[in-house]
Amino acid sequence: QIVLSQSPAILSASPGEKVTMTCRASSSVSYMHWYQQKPGSSPKPWIYATSNLASGVPARFSGSGSGTSYSLTISRVEAEDAATYYCQQWSSNPLTFGAGTKLELK
Amino acid sequence: EVQLQQSGPELVKPGASVKMSCKASGYTFTSYVMHWVKQKPGQGLEWIGYINPYNDGTKYNEKFKGKATLTSDKSSSTAYMELSSLTSEDSAVYYCAREGGHREFAYWGQGTLVTVSA
Repeated sequence: QIVLSQSPAILSASPGEKVTMTCRASSSVSYMHWYQQKPGSSPKPWIYATSNLASGVPARFSGSGSGTSYSLTISRVEAEDAATYYCQQWSSNPLTFGAGTKLELK
Repeated sequence: EVQLQQSGPELVKPGASVKMSCKASGYTFTSYVMHWVKQKPGQGLEWIGYINPYNDGTKYNEKFKGKATLTSDKSSSTAYMELSSLTSEDSAVYYCAREGGHREFAYWGQGTLVTVSA
């Protein structure tokens, strides 16, 4: 199965800072999806097909990548962005998720 | 508006089985497969499998074969997942989720918490 490795596991940032988290696949995938999850809530679709923002996602978020390396960038972090972000692939079975990057605000 | 309404929390004994539901509304139930995802406390997400309500076809993650059984009822637009031979390792929140247009999980239920304890 394709293993997705997310880094860093924990990302600490100050409001207004630019941050990037990465997702590396053990084999090439066609695209990557990203989800945001806050404690006690279901995951929310955040970025689909590598670079498309889901409905309602602020424009300060962006996604990019190809092959085995993908990233999610926040141009200027805000307090509401504190959450865990998961990447997900379904280029091959089984569908797999990364372990998540937890974004903490300083 | 697409909604996935899951059944309530379950407290079950080791060795028992549990069946949970996911009632869909706001779209044609048979037009999209329904996925199930496991999340253990404080941990990440794990895909269990999906059912196609149109023909009841299923696809399972090998890890969950023999553990999870997916079914659906077109008449009530409800998907079900039964977990058998429960152990503490099955204590988790289980989500149902529907795909969007790019094989992403565009819609999620609120989750069903299963606690396995004597």
